[in-house]
Amino acid sequence: EIVMTQSPATLSVSPGERVTLSCRARENINNKLAWYQQKPGHAPRLLLYGGNTRATGIPARFSGSGSGTEFTLTISSLQSEDFAVYYCQQYINWPLTFGGGTKVEIK
Amino acid sequence: QLVESGGGLVQPGRSLRLSCAASEFSVSNTYMTWVRQAPGKGLEWVSLIFDGATTYYADSVQGRFTISRDSSKNTLFLQMNSLRPEDTAMYYCAKVTGPKRYYFDSWGQGTLVTVSS
Repeated sequence: EIVMTQSPATLSVSPGERVTLSCRARENINNKLAWYQQKPGHAPRLLLYGGNTRATGIPARFSGSGSGTEFTLTISSLQSEDFAVYYCQQYINWPLTFGGGTKVEIK
Repeated sequence: QLVESGGGLVQPGRSLRLSCAASEFSVSNTYMTWVRQAPGKGLEWVSLIFDGATTYYADSVQGRFTISRDSSKNTLFLQMNSLRPEDTAMYYCAKVTGPKRYYFDSWGQGTLVTVSS
């Protein structure tokens, strides 16, 4: 099983700030990484796939980078609606696995 | 759109079948998956079915859960047997983007399963 580790667990940020979230895979997953956003009481929403490709309707302030074992999700200027939990997921190997999540909260 | 149902309170060792009704696309030629989330915890992938008969399961549910679909009802199912307290979670069905693109581009609202005596 490919273990996915996200850091930090919680990030306290002010609106308008730039945010960088990290996701690390225990082994090489090439670019087979997706990012999701989940707000309280709601289902997750796909943000990015292929490490850096935005899903349909996702604003340009969300971007992804990385390959191999180290990945980053960046929110260029945090909006009020972006306070949520973010998960990464690898899809190169079975079982599919998620990271533990990073909660982005209001500072 | 995906709408789950079938969750509820069930005793350990008993069974439950979850349903996920799809609209706007056909589940019969779409890769589909189940993902769960224990209360206050992160996401855990459970099972995935290809557009044919190929299925995959997490080790934690292998041999106890079965994913299937009914084309006539355009519905995905998750048959859960020998339930354990650690199976308590919100269960989401989701549409998988496609072959080797095993990420989830559309989700249902979830159905809550509580396993307790």
